Amino acid sequence: GAVVSQHPSWVICKSGTSVKIECRSLDFQATTMFWYRQFPKQSLMLMATSNEGSKATYEQGVEKDKFLINHASLTLSTLTVTSAHPEDSSFYICSVKGGWETQYFGPGTRLLVL
Amino acid sequence: GQNIDQPTEMTATEGAIVQINCTYQTSGFNGLFWYQQHAGEAPTFLSYNVLDGLEEKGRFSSFLSRSKGYSYLLLKELQMKDSASYLCAALDSNYQLIWGAGTKLIIKP
Repeated sequence: GAVVSQHPSWVICKSGTSVKIECRSLDFQATTMFWYRQFPKQSLMLMATSNEGSKATYEQGVEKDKFLINHASLTLSTLTVTSAHPEDSSFYICSVKGGWETQYFGPGTRLLVL
Repeated sequence: GQNIDQPTEMTATEGAIVQINCTYQTSGFNGLFWYQQHAGEAPTFLSYNVLDGLEEKGRFSSFLSRSKGYSYLLLKELQMKDSASYLCAALDSNYQLIWGAGTKLIIKP
């Protein structure tokens, strides 16, 4: 399967600042990537589907102006949480779509907004 | 609506066998995935079934019945490292993954 990395793995920031999370597909050309959010003891919640070279498709209820997604190359997608607030504190996970619709996940980024 | 049901939590003994069930209701169906997620980590792929029957992969097996909207993950010879959450996810007609809430499996010595 694909090897996926995320950076940073941990970030603590002040309320009102913006945070950028990078997702890299290290050995696979990722036409499609997904961004998820997971709150403690809850399941994965899909935020958006990111296709290389085009605008991301956001799930209902996810603010596209707050969660900016850029997928400019086949190996990199970024998620920027703009003007972060404490309620944005969560575990953010990206995944790469591989063969047979299998998704390969990055290690996740823990965001804590103070 | 679309829905995935799986038990919230299960407990089993080291060395034993455990079966984690999953039922799904989706708009169309293009397969069912099982993922393992250790606490604080991202999910890792375990299996994918699209045809009826049992797929065996080492100590883990996954079963699918499309007519019943039912799948299970069977874990044999349980080890302490198998303590994790197991996520069931169904692929609908639009190739969107519908995720279950996960089953937390606790292994006791």
